[in-house]
Amino acid sequence: AQSVAQPEDQVNVAEGNPLTVKCTYSVSGNPYLFWYVQYPNRGLQFLLKYITGDNLVKGSYGFEAEFNKSQTSFHLKKPSALVSDSALYFCAVRDMNRDDKIIFGKGTRLHILP
Amino acid sequence: DSGVTQTPKHLITATGQRVTLRCSPRSGDLSVYWYQQSLDQGLQFLIQYYNGEERAKGNILERFSAQQFPDLHSELNLSSLELGDSALYFCASNRGQPLNEQFFGPGTRLTVL
Repeated sequence: AQSVAQPEDQVNVAEGNPLTVKCTYSVSGNPYLFWYVQYPNRGLQFLLKYITGDNLVKGSYGFEAEFNKSQTSFHLKKPSALVSDSALYFCAVRDMNRDDKIIFGKGTRLHILP
Repeated sequence: DSGVTQTPKHLITATGQRVTLRCSPRSGDLSVYWYQQSLDQGLQFLIQYYNGEERAKGNILERFSAQQFPDLHSELNLSSLELGDSALYFCASNRGQPLNEQFFGPGTRLTVL
């Protein structure tokens, strides 16, 4: 069965420092991978996705993610954090060879400290 | 603004009652997804409709049902409500292809007293 894990409930980063939010996945076939962000009292917003091709995917708001097949990971990164990046981040996976179900991780709360 | 609308924004009701949540997808989107977000369970996929037909089912309870109408709006019906059904319910939409990201509505906050 497909699954996705976000091992950290919370990540604290000082403003201006690089940030990483971790995600690992498990699928039987090839994965589609997504990152979404949720700001307080809002729905989720799409950040970026990996389908195929370049392992480094660039997305919205300066975020990028690196797909690593051998480590089954898809970590979200940003070179320089902003206080406005503080939010809840969700990693999600869909198995290419299965039905349309998408599985979301539990979410990681990112705190950027001024 | 994602283009997905949900009504009502907040709903407070009592145990045993029945409620209906409504979702209008983005213009042109054929697929509608329903999710439940709670503190202890995280974001749980409930069900997906594509152009009026059920396409995928997740952790949806038998007390819950959904449908998608010819105009593509969708309703999620929750019956025999329990305290544990209190949660944020999100609707999302996309064109329906697995490659497409989903666009989420602002959610309906359901409180069961």
